[in-house]
Amino acid sequence: RKEVEQDPGPFNVPEGATVAFNCTYSNSASQSFFWYRQDCRKEPKLLMSVYSSGNEDGRFTAQLNRASQYISLLIRDSKLSDSATYLCVVMDFNKFYFGSGTKLNVKP
Amino acid sequence: EPEVTQTPSHQVTQMGQEVILRCVPISNHLYFYWYRQILGQKVEFLVSFYNNEISEKSEIFDDQFSVERPDGSNFTLKIRSTKLEDSAMYFCASSWQNTEAFFGQGTRLTVV
Repeated sequence: RKEVEQDPGPFNVPEGATVAFNCTYSNSASQSFFWYRQDCRKEPKLLMSVYSSGNEDGRFTAQLNRASQYISLLIRDSKLSDSATYLCVVMDFNKFYFGSGTKLNVKP
Repeated sequence: EPEVTQTPSHQVTQMGQEVILRCVPISNHLYFYWYRQILGQKVEFLVSFYNNEISEKSEIFDDQFSVERPDGSNFTLKIRSTKLEDSAMYFCASSWQNTEAFFGQGTRLTVV
C-alpha cells in the first residue's frame, strides 16, 4: 500500500491556465502536509505547507481534507517557470513520505 | 538565506567500497534526515536523527548504512560495501521543529 498517492500526470497546459493536483494519503494519523516542487535532477524545494483551513500563497492554493485524507494544490495563471514535478509530502512523526510526483509542463 | 549544503556533489565509487556523504544542516535546526532518490523514482526516506540519535529509520536503512554527527555542524551518511543498486541521489534535509524540511542539493552517488 502506498502511503501517498498522486495524480499520474504529466499535465500539459498552456500559459495562463489553471491546473489542480490531487493527493491522497493512507495514514489517518498523519500530522503535517506539504507540497514541494522538484526540478529535473534538483533537490525538492518547499512550495507550501498545507493546513486544514486551507492556505494561499500568491497563485498557489492548497487544501487539506482530513476526513477524506485528501490534499490538493491549485495553480492559477500558470507560468512557464511553473514547469516542474510537484511532490505531495506527508509527515508521520519523524518520517516524511513522498508521493511519486506529478509532472507539470506549461507551454507557451 | 540559510541553506543545507552537501559534499561532494558527485561521488563515483567502485562496488564494495565505503563512501561517506557529508552534510551541513541549517545551523539552528534540530532534526536531520537522509533521503535517497533512484533515477526516475520517488524520494525515499532513509533515516531521521534528533538529539544525537536515530529517531526513525526505514527498511532500506540496514546495517550497511550509518549516520553520525561528529561535531556541531556536520551530519554524515556512511555506506559500507556499496552495491550497484546504491547508485542514487542522496539528499540531506533539516528542520527546526519536525515540521517542513529543507533539502540540500544532493550528492549523486554512482557505484561502478
